[in-house]
Formats: sequence, C-alpha cells, structure tokens
Amino acid sequence: AQSVSQHNHHVILSEAASLELGCNYSYGGTVNLFWYVQYPGQHLQLLLKYFSGDPLVKGIKGFEAEFIKSKFSFNLRKPSVQWSDTAEYFCAVRRALNSGAGSYQLTFGKGTKLSVIP
Amino acid sequence: DAGVIQSPRHEVTEMGQEVTLRCKPISGHDYLFWYRQTMMRGLELLIYFNNNVPIDDSGMPEDRFSAKMPNASFSTLKIQPSEPRDSAVYFCASSSWDSLEVHFGPGTRLTVT
Repeated sequence: AQSVSQHNHHVILSEAASLELGCNYSYGGTVNLFWYVQYPGQHLQLLLKYFSGDPLVKGIKGFEAEFIKSKFSFNLRKPSVQWSDTAEYFCAVRRALNSGAGSYQLTFGKGTKLSVIP
Repeated sequence: DAGVIQSPRHEVTEMGQEVTLRCKPISGHDYLFWYRQTMMRGLELLIYFNNNVPIDDSGMPEDRFSAKMPNASFSTLKIQPSEPRDSAVYFCASSSWDSLEVHFGPGTRLTVT
C-alpha cells in the first residue's frame, strides 16, 4: 500500500516569504499526485494535481509543485505567501488509473499547518 | 452543481447513542468515499464505494461503524453505539471513473460526550 509523508507539522512564515512544503510518497508504480488545501473551518479543496507530462505543475493562487520521480517527492512551493494562505495543506497520492483495483483510493499525508504572519 | 452535500454539519450526542451521517455525492459520480479527520491521525479513509458497491472497508475502525449506499445519490455512515473517541470531522467525497479529482463535502463535525 502507498503512504505519504509530510515533513513539517507546522510552518510559520511572514508575508512575502517563500514557501516550500515537503511531500514524499512510497509506492513503486505509477502515481497521480495531489495537493489539497483546507482553510480554517472549511472542507478540502484541490490546489493542483499531477498525472503525467511536465513534472512542474502550476495550480491555483500562485502555487506550484514539482514531481521528482527519483526522489519520490512532490513538494509544494509558492514564491511569496500572503496572510490568506494560512491553512492546512495535504499531499495525497493515488495509484495511476491503469493500475488496477484500488486505483481510486487517495492516501493523504498528515498535513502541514501554515501560519502566515501579516 | 451543488457539490457534495453532507448533513448534519454538526452533531453532538451522548456516548451510547446511534449517529447517522448522510451524504449526497455529485450527480454522475460513481465513486464515493468516507474519510475521518482527527488531530492525532489526520485524514483516514474509512470506506469507499463504486457504483453503490462497497469496494474497500478496511479502514472502518470496528463493527460499531457501518456504511451503506442504497442508490447512486445517497450514502450513510452509521455509528452504533457511539463513543467519545469517535469525535472527529467526517468527510464524504466523490469522483467519477475518468476524473483525477476527488471532490470533498463540507464535513460533519461529530462530538460524542
């Protein structure tokens, strides 16, 4: 079964600082990768996703993530954070659609809380 | 599109009572997932359905938990009897077979006293 590790439990940044949140997964086959964001009191929303092609993926609100297959990583980045980015961020992995039974099961990391100080 | 709909949004109940959480997936989606979120364990998949059939319930914590999907537009997650350690936010999510995106509902915050 696949698993996801998010290295940082809580990150605190000042506005305009750059952000990088780490995500590593364990699964030897082809995967689809996702970052979700959960704003305080709200449900999870998709930030970006990777399934094939260019390993640098751009998402909403200026976020991007880079898939490095050799490192089993899918780190999330943003060059300049805003106070409104304060939220919890979840990395998730799913076996690629052609991987057979169980392909639709998303496995989440434990999340990284981001606090941005104005 | 109304998105995934869950009810109730908040539930407070006493230990030993039966709790039923409800979910309406996005129309046309044929996969439905139930997740539980706690501070200690993060997001855990409890069970998921494909075309109303349970595919994997290995995440259901114990026999007190049961889930049904009687039709394509409705699912329930039942806890009987409830215990304080069941307190969590329960999310329902849905997806279609050809989509890479899982859509989450707003969640039900359950508190068992």
